[in-house]
Amino acid sequence: NAGVTQTPKFQVLKTGQSMTLQCAQDMNHNSMYWYRQDPGMGLRLIYYSASEGTTDKGEVPNGYNVSRLNKREFSLRLESAAPSQTSVYFCASSVGQRVYEQYFGPGTRLTVT
Amino acid sequence: GESVGLHLPTLSVQEGDNSIINCAYSNSASDYFIWYKQESGKGPQFIIDIRSNMDKRQGQRVTVLLNKTVKHLSLQIAATQPGDSAVYFCAETPRVTFGSGTQLTVLP
Repeated sequence: NAGVTQTPKFQVLKTGQSMTLQCAQDMNHNSMYWYRQDPGMGLRLIYYSASEGTTDKGEVPNGYNVSRLNKREFSLRLESAAPSQTSVYFCASSVGQRVYEQYFGPGTRLTVT
Repeated sequence: GESVGLHLPTLSVQEGDNSIINCAYSNSASDYFIWYKQESGKGPQFIIDIRSNMDKRQGQRVTVLLNKTVKHLSLQIAATQPGDSAVYFCAETPRVTFGSGTQLTVLP
């Protein structure tokens, strides 16, 4: 089992460019999450998908969109990147929304110049 | 929404000593509290959770204490090892909300 995988590992964007961060899990989990982590701060929830076919906003959704492509995959899209979106992005999954043990991917380090 | 905070930012302990990492929470309606460990350059890793109707839970070398009266949570690590060096986050539920974390450094 690979667990949770994320691509790419690193990315540099110019302001206004768009990109999609990919996430996949092979644990047959129902729930998936996208977080961002800024220096000196904990993780903040961007969006989550409690189950296939549903998505909901988290704490900091502005400037992002998500797609739950199927049970395995959950992507995060930045339509018009801004320097404030420079961060490390983590994808996570759990058996269900009320099962709080989440499995995290290795992260994507994004820099927007 | 409510947030978890009031972590000490750093904690240094001697190898072999016990570590205590503290956390204050705000959401009295949390049904579980969770501890995660994040090593440098990696994603967070689940350590242990505690249900809100418990006041203590033990795992392998770790113990979680919950004091609902003062909304305080602690993680105790016995016989701290170099591999325990990491940032430790507590989180409250049901919307998993992370605190800013405590950097634990284990000194040789």
